[in-house]
Amino acid sequence: DAGVIQSPRHEVTEMGQEVTLRCKPISGHDYLFWYRQTMMRGLELLIYFNNNVPIDDSGMPEDRFSAKMPNASFSTLKIQPSEPRDSAVYFCASRRQTGNYGYTFGSGTRLTVV
Amino acid sequence: EDQVTQSPEALRLQEGESSSLNCSYTVSGLRGLFWYRQDPGKGPEFLFTLYSAGEEKEKERLKATLTKKESFLHITAPKPEDSATYLCAVSQGGSEKLVFGKGTKLTVNP
Repeated sequence: DAGVIQSPRHEVTEMGQEVTLRCKPISGHDYLFWYRQTMMRGLELLIYFNNNVPIDDSGMPEDRFSAKMPNASFSTLKIQPSEPRDSAVYFCASRRQTGNYGYTFGSGTRLTVV
Repeated sequence: EDQVTQSPEALRLQEGESSSLNCSYTVSGLRGLFWYRQDPGKGPEFLFTLYSAGEEKEKERLKATLTKKESFLHITAPKPEDSATYLCAVSQGGSEKLVFGKGTKLTVNP
């Protein structure tokens, strides 16, 4: 079991540029979640998918953010255009439909927008 | 609005000095309360899920308990390798969303 795989681990970009974060969930997991972590606000849910369908995107901060899950093994979170206040660690997590509901998190992508 | 408050924000212990971390929550229709451990530069690692008041779960030196308003994570005779940030989260019936507290940073000195 390779766990939840995120790429890149670190991303530094200039304000106004497009940023794409990638996630490969654990095989067989039905749910995929995107979270953002900052010192000020902690971990916040951005969006989650069930069987590749977006279920709740109420945490997406604004239209600059978009997420897709074209198949069960891949998801992307895109920010266009990026702003310095988007700097944070972005985590992807997945879990099975049944069981103890505990997520498995990836190692995160640290995004810095300068 | 669901809220999760963890205390203290930071805790320093000597090796072997037992203590407890607190997680207070307000949520209607609690489906589960979760404890995670997070090491620097890594994603949160799942520890426990508690579903109903009175439930307890144990793993090595950690024991989690749940009441109707709060949960405690008891750490017995901690070791330096227990140093991490411990996060509490709740889920509400009808949603898969986890609402996290801001965590307690635990440091165990040898």
